[in-house]
Amino acid sequence: EDKVVQSPLSLVVHEGDTVTLNCSYEVTNFRSLLWYKQEKKAPTFLFMLTSSGIEKKSGRLSSILDKKELFSILNITATQTGDSAVYLCAVEDRDDKIIFGKGTRLHILP
Amino acid sequence: DGGITQSPKYLFRKEGQNVTLSCEQNLNHDAMYWYRQDPGQGLRLIYYSQIVNDFQKGDIAEGYSVSREKKESFPLTVTSAQKNPTAFYLCASSSRDEQYFGPGTRLTVT
Repeated sequence: EDKVVQSPLSLVVHEGDTVTLNCSYEVTNFRSLLWYKQEKKAPTFLFMLTSSGIEKKSGRLSSILDKKELFSILNITATQTGDSAVYLCAVEDRDDKIIFGKGTRLHILP
Repeated sequence: DGGITQSPKYLFRKEGQNVTLSCEQNLNHDAMYWYRQDPGQGLRLIYYSQIVNDFQKGDIAEGYSVSREKKESFPLTVTSAQKNPTAFYLCASSSRDEQYFGPGTRLTVT
């Protein structure tokens, strides 16, 4: 059965800290891995990763995929209170089906 | 402005009634999805469609129905057979390189 597992489920850090969020998966016919940030309702798209070892970066956020070990990490450096959110990882297969993890709830203390 | 619209934002229904949630996109995306979000569950896939006039069941399709008569539109009907219909419903669409979510519809059935 296809599955996506995120860890930790929740995380509390102080502003300025660096955090690493984990996503492991078991999916047949993998096509891509996606990261989202969900603050209130609809998730906002962060990254799509398709190739191993190539880091994607956007400001203080970066992500990398390891297709051999079947996981991805999302790094946030110099965290700010505005980074507080649920971060969702999802994997898309070649039939366009998308499976989501349960998310990591990140809380940044001022 | 390209994007995905869902309507209405809030919907209230009596038990036993069918209700249809609207999802429209003008992004020219082939694939469209319906998800349901419940507290602590993450997003769960209800139905998805890769192309017009075709759709597949997701993980929790029982009690739901969809149609895909036009590329832009993917309405979801929550039938009276759905045992726990109260939830937040998210529609999404995707191309090869991106996936976007609509703003969501919160359905409350009493």
